[in-house]
Amino acid sequence: AQSVTQLDSQVPVFEEAPVELRCNYSSSVSVYLFWYVQYPNQGLQLLLKYLSGSTLVKGINGFEAEFNKSQTSFHLRKPSVHISDTAEYFCAVSGGDYKLSFGAGTTVTVRA
Amino acid sequence: EPEVTQTPSHQVTQMGQEVILRCVPISNHLYFYWYRQILGQKVEFLVSFYNNEISEKSEIFDDQFSVERPDGSNFTLKIRSTKLEDSAMYFCASCRDRSTDTQYFGPGTRLTVL
Repeated sequence: AQSVTQLDSQVPVFEEAPVELRCNYSSSVSVYLFWYVQYPNQGLQLLLKYLSGSTLVKGINGFEAEFNKSQTSFHLRKPSVHISDTAEYFCAVSGGDYKLSFGAGTTVTVRA
Repeated sequence: EPEVTQTPSHQVTQMGQEVILRCVPISNHLYFYWYRQILGQKVEFLVSFYNNEISEKSEIFDDQFSVERPDGSNFTLKIRSTKLEDSAMYFCASCRDRSTDTQYFGPGTRLTVL
């Protein structure tokens, strides 16, 4: 079975500042890793995913994440956030069973 | 761009009543999922469905729950006798190829059991 820990439940950040959201996973098998975003009153939207290959993954809206197998991490970063990035962000992992296991989520609040 | 749709967006029901939550997955997708998110908690896997049968289910998915693909386009989740603790946001997801493809999520149905 796989599990995900998101180390920060709330991240306040000023507009145009960088942000990093931390995600660690545990698994006994090879994994696929995902970051989803949930804007207020909306469903889950995929930001980016890591399946194989380059460990630096670029996604939508200027986000990127780096897969680090030795540290079992998949941290999400954006160099400069906008007000519109205010949302909840979920890290998720799937293994050989292909079902997603989600972290508890990180609420990002961007202030002007 | 094709998307997963869910109806209704909000369902209020009395404890003990049956509810059916409906989803229309993306048309060429073959794998279907239900997840739920109790307020303030993690998104949890409930069940996966492929080739007209359940491929995997979680401990949450007990005999009160069932899924069906009645007509080749809809994918439904039925809760036979709702409990207060079934109150949650229920998300449907689908994907084309589960090994490499993204699961696309619908906007969710908020179920409130009174």
